[in-house]
Amino acid sequence: SQELEQSPQSLIVQEGKNLTINCTSSKTLYGLYWYKQKYGEGLIFLMMLQKGGEEKSHEKITAKLDEKKQQSSLHITASQPSHAGIYLCGADVVDQGGKLIFGQGTELSVKP
Amino acid sequence: DGGITQSPKYLFRKEGQNVTLSCEQNLNHDAMYWYRQDPGQGLRLIYYSQIVNDFQKGDIAEGYSVSREKKESFPLTVTSAQKNPTAFYLCASSIVEPNYGYTFGSGTRLTVV
Repeated sequence: SQELEQSPQSLIVQEGKNLTINCTSSKTLYGLYWYKQKYGEGLIFLMMLQKGGEEKSHEKITAKLDEKKQQSSLHITASQPSHAGIYLCGADVVDQGGKLIFGQGTELSVKP
Repeated sequence: DGGITQSPKYLFRKEGQNVTLSCEQNLNHDAMYWYRQDPGQGLRLIYYSQIVNDFQKGDIAEGYSVSREKKESFPLTVTSAQKNPTAFYLCASSIVEPNYGYTFGSGTRLTVV
């Protein structure tokens, strides 16, 4: 089973709608990292969360870390076509020696 | 500007050939990583290195080899032993402590022809 589960795997939303992507770890989290990827390109760093209850925002994207649930959520407000892409969460977890593990990714499409 | 550069962007390999993917960083990062990305499978770790002249196998190292002779460079060779090499390959780098996450290259798409 996947150590870092993302949901949903894919998402199609109408422009202007809000959406949430979740990332749940089966192991103790030391840090959680969100990345965005355009098809065929590298991953672009979005945000890093390291403390329980931490919440960060950048433009219309907000990420939260729920330490008790070992879960992070990424919320996009008033989605735009420029938000389309693949969102991946990466986690620094116990027993990995600082190496990140990654979720399967969530493919987001935004319909104009 | 500091960053991590992968080349080439597209690579075609004939059956039985070895090919080498380049990864260079000028971020002064100690650690470097190679990942393979296939549709619906996220990123799978091939090899990583946390110091020059030392590297470790990841989850799917079979059919791949690496070297780390310089801090800035971490080339990946896809050997003929890798039976299904067609994939998107991503290189990343990071400092070891504290963990601020990874910086990724733009990727190399390898296709077997």
